[in-house]
Amino acid sequence: DAKTTQPPSMDCAEGRAANLPCNHSTISGNEYVYWYRQIHSQGPQYIIHGLKNNETNEMASLIITEDRKSSTLILPHATLRDTAVYYCIVYNTDKLIFGTGTRLQVFP
Amino acid sequence: GAGVSQSPRYKVAKRGQDVALRCDPISGHVSLFWYQQALGQGPEFLTYFQNEAQLDKSGLPSDRFFAERPEGSVSTLKIQRTQQEDSAVYLCASSPHPTGLNSPLHFGNGTRLTVT
Repeated sequence: DAKTTQPPSMDCAEGRAANLPCNHSTISGNEYVYWYRQIHSQGPQYIIHGLKNNETNEMASLIITEDRKSSTLILPHATLRDTAVYYCIVYNTDKLIFGTGTRLQVFP
Repeated sequence: GAGVSQSPRYKVAKRGQDVALRCDPISGHVSLFWYQQALGQGPEFLTYFQNEAQLDKSGLPSDRFFAERPEGSVSTLKIQRTQQEDSAVYLCASSPHPTGLNSPLHFGNGTRLTVT
């Protein structure tokens, strides 16, 4: 599976959009981009995934660049409960390989 | 609806003891994964089951680690002769489909193992 690169930490004001970047320059054509988050003392929670097109659900939006070498997870109106570690994972046919993720701190 | 359930939530073992960690996946889920998460790190893959078959155990760190899923539902991760470096959170995840399909994993909240 392709490796991903994420900033170790980010801050966001409550009510503002949180934009979490991820680089996956070695992604191959049939690999999906998945996002999970992990709130303290809980297991990882699935957020969203995509292949080529941008995706949106009730939790977030996923923007994938045309060359697929990077993506951005957007939380449109961050709340304090969105404070968590966010993992960007490139997934093909085997198993999820987690990196160290981005620790997002939402502040009042 | 019930999610993935893991027990116990916390386990303290003395070095050298054997431990058994249980995972109850979502009913009907075909795939079951075990992950190990050390403090401050992302989860690391241990092993994968498709129904009762253990198809990948490449992540098990030593032969002291053993996992089973005899009837294709509940799974147990056993660690023999525990060592301090085994201290971690052990996460279980399940999915309704075999790997290779476009299917998110559902994680439990893990068992925190502390070896003293």
